[in-house]
Amino acid sequence: SQQGEEDPQALSIQEGENATMNCSYKTSINNLQWYRQNSGRGLVHLILIRSNEREKHSGRLRVTLDTSKKSSSLLITASRAADTASYFCATVNTGNQFYFGTGTSLTVIP
Amino acid sequence: EPEVTQTPSHQVTQMGQEVILRCVPISNHLYFYWYRQILGQKVEFLVSFYNNEISEKSEIFDDQFSVERPDGSNFTLKIRSTKLEDSAMYFCASTLTGANTGELFFGEGSRLTVL
Repeated sequence: SQQGEEDPQALSIQEGENATMNCSYKTSINNLQWYRQNSGRGLVHLILIRSNEREKHSGRLRVTLDTSKKSSSLLITASRAADTASYFCATVNTGNQFYFGTGTSLTVIP
Repeated sequence: EPEVTQTPSHQVTQMGQEVILRCVPISNHLYFYWYRQILGQKVEFLVSFYNNEISEKSEIFDDQFSVERPDGSNFTLKIRSTKLEDSAMYFCASTLTGANTGELFFGEGSRLTVL
């Protein structure tokens, strides 16, 4: 399968704590993207990291990519209740397709 | 802000009936996709479409499925004879520059319930 696999499947933290989600994949990639999905809604793009990049920041988000291990992590710092959602990684291969992982369901407790 | 719009938001149909799900991608986008998500599960790729033809399709996208871009604005997914297992949320997405450089913009989805 070309899809990524996120872990953990579910994560529950207190507001203010950091949340870390991981994504592993199997094939060579052009870039890797993270998306967020509120319950019952469409996915929203968060951040893109290219295969030649190792780390990227956007506000409270930090993404790392290790192509030798075929893995990526998404860190959300100082979490808020509004961060409660499912988070998906999407791998983009040389065929120009997006393949989504299984998602991590994040619950931030106020 | 431009957005992808999908209709209907929810459709209930009987097994064996044909269903058409409609999408209006962002107007200057060139690449179009359908994904489906069975409740609470992974987002599964169905098909991608570029330059008026299918560029890639998954194993899920069998002969019962078809896509069309009939008038340069709408992008439709047709399921000819629905099965119970077709019950899912179907998402349309589009991107301007393709996956190598761009992000996907998703619609809010069409929930299909097959009875």
